[in-house]
Formats: sequence, C-alpha cells, structure tokens
Amino acid sequence: GESVGLHLPTLSVQEGDNSIINCAYSNSASDYFIWYKQESGKGPQFIIDIRSNMDKRQGQRVTVLLNKTVKHLSLQIAATQPGDSAVYFCAENIGNNNAGNMLTFGGGTRLMVKP
Amino acid sequence: GAVVSQHPSWVICKSGTSVKIECRSLDFQATTMFWYRQFPKQSLMLMATSNEGSKATYEQGVEKDKFLINHASLTLSTLTVTSAHPEDSSFYICSADPGSGRAGTQYFGPGTRLLVL
Repeated sequence: GESVGLHLPTLSVQEGDNSIINCAYSNSASDYFIWYKQESGKGPQFIIDIRSNMDKRQGQRVTVLLNKTVKHLSLQIAATQPGDSAVYFCAENIGNNNAGNMLTFGGGTRLMVKP
Repeated sequence: GAVVSQHPSWVICKSGTSVKIECRSLDFQATTMFWYRQFPKQSLMLMATSNEGSKATYEQGVEKDKFLINHASLTLSTLTVTSAHPEDSSFYICSADPGSGRAGTQYFGPGTRLLVL
C-alpha cells in the first residue's frame, strides 16, 4: 500500500500576488543552494541558484534570499501565475569535498495558485 | 541543451520481477550520475552516486544488492530493482553532472514511476 509520509506544506496564493517560499537548511558548511520546481509526475526543474558569498540573487520573476546566520533560504516569485503551481524544493551542496556534487533536498512546499 | 532522459516512464510489474531503468544524458557527457527515490508527497532521497567506470556509492540504508547500478558509459547509467516488491513502488529520478566545474550542478531526468503489484 501507499507509504505514510509527511504531507507537504502548502502555500495558496491568488494569481498576481507575490509568493514567498521558505527553506531552512541544517549544514553550515553548505556553500551552494538551488531552488527546483517539480510539477506532478515530472523531474525537478532548475529555477535559480545562489552561492554562499551572496545574500540575494534575482532572476526573471524570481529572487532567492540567503541568510547564513540563521541558515535560511527563501524563494520569492513575483506576480504568481497559474503555471507556477508546483512543488518547490530547496537543495544544498557542500562544494568540493568527499561528497562531490551531492545535493541534499529539503522537504518541499506545494504552491497552489488560485485564478 | 543539458537534457536527461529516462526509460521507461512508467512500469508496472509483478512482485518478484526485476526492473531496469535507464538514465541517459542526451547532449553532454556525465562522469557522475545520481539516483533518487521519491515517495508520494515526500522529497527526493538520494539512493546512490554513480561514477563512470567504477562502483556506485550507496547511501545509508539503501541495499546495493537490491538496487544494482551500472554506469558503463559517460552517457548512460542503469538502475535495476531486483526482485521488486510492492514497497519498492516509487518514483525514481536520475540526474547527471556534466562536470562543468560548478559544484552541485545536476540535470534531472523526467522520472520513472514504478508500480509493483
């Protein structure tokens, strides 16, 4: 049967509003962070990344903020559209070490955009 | 560019059957490929890291004799779920690292949904 697992937190926003999705990471040695978007039944899609020597990076309609002091990452989506509805994951990487290019994923947040 | 494919997309099999899933980097070479498993409403969990020409490195709790990984070329890695059981039903996702030098770069495949009856 279906395994019982954690239910993803859900963020519900009105179309046109801004969305903020948060992520807490645990490893202070992580120096590279990525946000992924995953639509139902598909693999993760790269959205935006940020290195630990930055605290903000902007893309098209998206902004990532990094607060290393409290180990917190956020993804801001401006003027959210129905096509933004998906599950969003943050991922962290510890750079060049024995772990190589391994990514550790956060739990994910489901974004639902109401028309 | 940087496209990763997986085959099959869907597979339904009887308990006890072995299932092979292919992961291909279509327009780049990948010295490292990763295999993830994702249960419903959960995050991606890394199963193993596969380096071309060498044995895969498995994460804690992942049975290497049950999940056989072969990375025989720079564009192909395979995951074989041996003697599959219903609890192996999951969404299996691979990713490929082009070795561009940027740590953490991975391109993800579309996933393979496995249902074991």
